[in-house]
Amino acid sequence: GNSVTQMEGPVTLSEEAFLTINCTYTATGYPSLFWYVQYPGEGLQLLLKATKADDKGSNKGFEATYRKETTSFHLEKGSVQVSDSAVYFCALRTSGNQFYFGTGTSLTVIP
Amino acid sequence: GAVVSQHPSWVICKSGTSVKIECRSLDFQATTMFWYRQFPKQSLMLMATSNEGSKATYEQGVEKDKFLINHASLTLSTLTVTSAHPEDSSFYICSARDRVKSSYNEQFFGPGTRLTVL
Repeated sequence: GNSVTQMEGPVTLSEEAFLTINCTYTATGYPSLFWYVQYPGEGLQLLLKATKADDKGSNKGFEATYRKETTSFHLEKGSVQVSDSAVYFCALRTSGNQFYFGTGTSLTVIP
Repeated sequence: GAVVSQHPSWVICKSGTSVKIECRSLDFQATTMFWYRQFPKQSLMLMATSNEGSKATYEQGVEKDKFLINHASLTLSTLTVTSAHPEDSSFYICSARDRVKSSYNEQFFGPGTRLTVL
């Protein structure tokens, strides 16, 4: 079956710290992988995506690499800011265009 | 561009009443809209897929008679929770796929509706 597992939060970091949020998946076929971000009171926004193995998605200083050998898509950022405080969701999309989401990881960045 | 709105953003209702939630694509036409449910500290679970002008496709375990979905136009889909009970309390999120850009298969998400059933 298809599923996404991401590290549980909440995660609290100081400003300028390094961020890693782990995400692993199980899937049949060749899924596309996504990270979405949800700011308080808002909907999910696409942060970055990768559509095939070894692709690296990047946006706003965040990066994630599609690792087929480890079935992972870990989210990283070298220096977080207070404005990065949000809930982050890892997701996969099957070839049949169905989405599967992780449980979300809450990130709080303190000044 | 690609903005999806939901109305209301939150609603409180009495047990046994019905509640309608609207999902609108504001600046694009959506052939397909999706309804998700999110429990606290849990993932989004797809409830149903709604195609304009046709019946919705429900995921296994979702009661179609309880969660009525209507996709009457290319910019509006509604979810009606009928005879709501406290266990229906949840965060309901819709998403929409752009008709023109459907080849990209990207979904744009609404802000969600918090339903509390007393």
